[in-house]
Amino acid sequence: GQQVMQIPQYQHVQEGEDFTTYCNSSTTLSNIQWYKQRPGGHPVFLIQLVKSGEVKKQKRLTFQFGEAKKNSSLHITATQTTDVGTYFCAGPGGSNYKLTFGKGTLLTVNP
Amino acid sequence: DVKVTQSSRYLVKRTGEKVFLECVQDMDHENMFWYRQDPGLGLRLIYFSYDVKMKEKGDIPEGYSVSREKKERFSLILESASTNQTSMYLCASWGGVGELFFGEGSRLTVL
Repeated sequence: GQQVMQIPQYQHVQEGEDFTTYCNSSTTLSNIQWYKQRPGGHPVFLIQLVKSGEVKKQKRLTFQFGEAKKNSSLHITATQTTDVGTYFCAGPGGSNYKLTFGKGTLLTVNP
Repeated sequence: DVKVTQSSRYLVKRTGEKVFLECVQDMDHENMFWYRQDPGLGLRLIYFSYDVKMKEKGDIPEGYSVSREKKERFSLILESASTNQTSMYLCASWGGVGELFFGEGSRLTVL
């Protein structure tokens, strides 16, 4: 079945450093979504990318969708302690009815 | 404000007990999901439902069953709880496009 791989599994940075997490799918995706889960919380939707090569920005967050629509990345510029959490990517999972999630990247930020 | 409500935030059960986890959404969504979240393993899909009385197995259905008698309600059932089912259980609701909406989660401990 379809697999969504995400790296790294963990990332620890000093506040102010940049952070990137990468997502790769075994199949071409019609779209990809990103979620953030704060410690003790539940995943919350950040963004959806649909077009090949698409780049979207949300303040310090930059999301990219690869040209082949099989990979994606999330880049955070100048991390802050409020960025702490686990970031998940998710893509349509071989069915019209569900999403397949990557295992997530846990980001910790040292103030 | 859209909502996915899970009946219990924390539960402690004994091995062999029957456990019901309930989830209600107020968005009139067709699709509902039960995920299990464990450290290092990400979000794993247990079961999902794309319509009333319809259900499909996810990636780890063993030991679980589900019920969807009404559109707004999706229940996860552990017929005979075991210690390896100690986990965080997340319900989600989806309208078919765009974001998944997650509940707050139910942390189950089986002794």
